[in-house]
Amino acid sequence: GAVVSQHPSWVICKSGTSVKIECRSLDFQATTMFWYRQFPKQSLMLMATSNEGSKATYEQGVEKDKFLINHASLTLSTLTVTSAHPEDSSFYICSASPGGESQPQHFGDGTRLSIL
Amino acid sequence: GQNIDQPTEMTATEGAIVQINCTYQTSGFNGLFWYQQHAGEAPTFLSYNVLDGLEEKGRFSSFLSRSKGYSYLLLKELQMKDSASYLCAVMDSNYQLIWGAGTKLIIKP
Repeated sequence: GAVVSQHPSWVICKSGTSVKIECRSLDFQATTMFWYRQFPKQSLMLMATSNEGSKATYEQGVEKDKFLINHASLTLSTLTVTSAHPEDSSFYICSASPGGESQPQHFGDGTRLSIL
Repeated sequence: GQNIDQPTEMTATEGAIVQINCTYQTSGFNGLFWYQQHAGEAPTFLSYNVLDGLEEKGRFSSFLSRSKGYSYLLLKELQMKDSASYLCAVMDSNYQLIWGAGTKLIIKP
């Protein structure tokens, strides 16, 4: 149980393109999902907390107009990197937690984004 | 501020035992998590401690002392596939996860 699916796994695209990443909880409902970014050999960095039916909560320093988050249902959250540039190249990972607030977060497989 | 400390890197021998320590200072405490992350992959959940003591799960065990702000992950009978980064994360009073930087574990034959 507690499976999180993330798609796509890899994206390579030109600078200026907008990229959408989907995160789905397959066997549970997730009121809250989380979006992380991880640069090579660095720790996970929380970008934003995605709340179903309301606006996402962004961490300090993360541009909300650059990283658009939509939590359309209890099983789906999307992250859109708008007008992506080479510095946005990174490993993006979503996570979700079933049940109560002290449940572990379960991660999607991540999306490796490369902007040329 | 909130802080999670764990060693950057550790090396151990196949078949041996290794203990990865984690100390924390957070605003409130609602549990401590250990995750395993292989290079290029997303983290996978290993263990959760909210009460003091040892939780054993196969070759992996996790210990917590809330009064000392301390936890460790114990890996027994090490296998080459255990080479990975191990992340310590604490859930604070707002139920937000505070992440450590991770410990890279290198297993040698």
